[in-house]
Amino acid sequence: AQKVTQAQTEISVVEKEDVTLDCVYETRDTTYYLFWYKQPPSGELVFLIRRNSFDEQNEISGRYSWNFQKSTSSFNFTITASQVVDSAVYFCALSEVNQFYFGTGTSLTVIP
Amino acid sequence: EPEVTQTPSHQVTQMGQEVILRCVPISNHLYFYWYRQILGQKVEFLVSFYNNEISEKSEIFDDQFSVERPDGSNFTLKIRSTKLEDSAMYFCASRTGGLAGAGETQYFGPGTRLLVL
Repeated sequence: AQKVTQAQTEISVVEKEDVTLDCVYETRDTTYYLFWYKQPPSGELVFLIRRNSFDEQNEISGRYSWNFQKSTSSFNFTITASQVVDSAVYFCALSEVNQFYFGTGTSLTVIP
Repeated sequence: EPEVTQTPSHQVTQMGQEVILRCVPISNHLYFYWYRQILGQKVEFLVSFYNNEISEKSEIFDDQFSVERPDGSNFTLKIRSTKLEDSAMYFCASRTGGLAGAGETQYFGPGTRLLVL
């Protein structure tokens, strides 16, 4: 069974549109952490955000926002007013004790 | 800002050859990791390393693989006899230790792209 599911394989949006990337996770731990990473075409993994399982407060950072809902085991990521530079593969990840589980990633293409 | 570095950025090798991928984690970090990403696929955990020993490893990390921290700064992944299916991007990551444990953010290096011919 997948620990982290990113059902959207590919998404295309036109520049300035908002887009939400879905992430659903599965864990039996009460303490866990969730992450989003961005992988641009150059290949590196860029850390975006970390949330712990006790903090369900939504977070906004510039054009990025995250919605964490334990009731649905989801940790969704929204980009507002998308830009071409947002084009990348985005990975959601779950951290349990000493292991990281990545989702399969969502490839986002922002069309100018 | 401190960052994880990896060398080489690209490596091409013949099947059956040994390769060593090198990583320099962030200096005050205590936990080190290797991950693999086959082209177009997700990032997969290989192994974690703490206090000079392996703490976790995945099914992928078989006897062909080994890790070492030969000195105070380098962290290496060795593949003894490469196979075609070892072709992938290999990422090193590190994090601090402490009470936050697994919740500490892992910072990734830029990756080494390995091509086995």
